[in-house]
Amino acid sequence: AIRMTQSPSSFSASTGDRVAITCRASQGISSYLAWYQQKPGKAPKLLIYAASTLQSGVPSRFSGSGSGTDFTLTISYLQSEDFATYYCQQYYTHPRTFGQGTKVEIK
Amino acid sequence: EVQLVESGGGLVQPGGSLRLSCVASGFTFSSYEMNWVRQAPGKGLEWVSYISGGGSTIYYADSVRGRFTISRDDAENSLYLQMNSLRAEDTALYYCAREGSTIDYWGQGTLVTVSS
Repeated sequence: AIRMTQSPSSFSASTGDRVAITCRASQGISSYLAWYQQKPGKAPKLLIYAASTLQSGVPSRFSGSGSGTDFTLTISYLQSEDFATYYCQQYYTHPRTFGQGTKVEIK
Repeated sequence: EVQLVESGGGLVQPGGSLRLSCVASGFTFSSYEMNWVRQAPGKGLEWVSYISGGGSTIYYADSVRGRFTISRDDAENSLYLQMNSLRAEDTALYYCAREGSTIDYWGQGTLVTVSS
């Protein structure tokens, strides 16, 4: 199975900050990479697919980049509603695999 | 509006069985691949199983293969997960999830607790 490793596992930030979360795949997955946001008690929400395509309705302050094995989710101007846990997921092959998650907390 | 509503979770003893259901609405269910994804309390997301539109292709995570069976009834817009020989480590919130280009919509989940 392809292993997805996110970094960092958690960090604190302030509203207005530019933040980046990285995701590394244990083998190449082309651009078959999605990012999800999950808030406590809620189901995950798709933010980005195909590594850099913004899902409909997702604010443009979210962006994704990368291909192959290294990917980045960037939030350009952190808002209060962005404090959550973020997961990457590869859909290049089965089994689908998720990163362990990155929790973004308020500083 | 896409809706996925899971049911069937509950408390079960180790070695027991449960059948989860997911009823879909707001889209042409038969045209979409579907998944089950679980999340243990306080933990991350773990993909469990996949079924293609029409049901001809099925995959399982190693952790559940041989114990869980995924199925679908396109006439009833429903997805199922039959879970046998349940273990404590199967305790989790189980999500039904639609797959378009990728997993794009999730239900709210049904909680399965395996404990004596």
